[in-house]
Amino acid sequence: AQSVTQLDSQVPVFEEAPVELRCNYSSSVSVYLFWYVQYPNQGLQLLLKYLSGSTLVKGINGFEAEFNKSQTSFHLRKPSVHISDTAEYFCAVSDGYGGATNKLIFGTGTLLAVQP
Amino acid sequence: ETGVTQSPTHLIKTRGQQVTLRCSSQSGHNTVSWYQQALGQGPQFIFQYYREEENGRGNFPPRFSGLQFPNYSSELNVNALELDDSALYLCASSPQGATGELFFGEGSRLTVL
Repeated sequence: AQSVTQLDSQVPVFEEAPVELRCNYSSSVSVYLFWYVQYPNQGLQLLLKYLSGSTLVKGINGFEAEFNKSQTSFHLRKPSVHISDTAEYFCAVSDGYGGATNKLIFGTGTLLAVQP
Repeated sequence: ETGVTQSPTHLIKTRGQQVTLRCSSQSGHNTVSWYQQALGQGPQFIFQYYREEENGRGNFPPRFSGLQFPNYSSELNVNALELDDSALYLCASSPQGATGELFFGEGSRLTVL
């Protein structure tokens, strides 16, 4: 069975500092990987996705993530954060098989708290 | 372009009651999925509908059921509500073939007393 582990429940960081949110997954098959962001009282929004090809994926709002198959990781990074980046970030995995292409397994989330 | 809209935004029910949540998918999207997000947790997949047929289901009991209509809107029905059903219910739509690229609504927050 697939699973996703987000190692940090909360990451405090000062504005304009770099940040890395960690995500590890387990799967016995090829995977598709995603990062979603959830702002307070809102639904989730796709930040970026890895389906195949280049292991470095760039997303919206200056975020990027690197797929590392040997370490089964998909960490999210941003070189300089803003107050507006404060939100909950979810890593997710999908095997894309069986027709249920939208069956995503989400991690428990990491709260990114940007301080002035 | 109208995004995914859900109704109601908040509701309170008591144990044993039934609830229906509604979702209008984004224009052009023919696949709808539903997720349950308990407080402090990540969303959990309930089921997915494509062309009015359920074509994927998570680990939820049969009292969770759904429908998709010809205009691709959808309903989630939950019978015999339990306290643990209290959660944010998220609807997401996607165009055909867009693996995992979901467009979420803002959710319906259900409280079961």
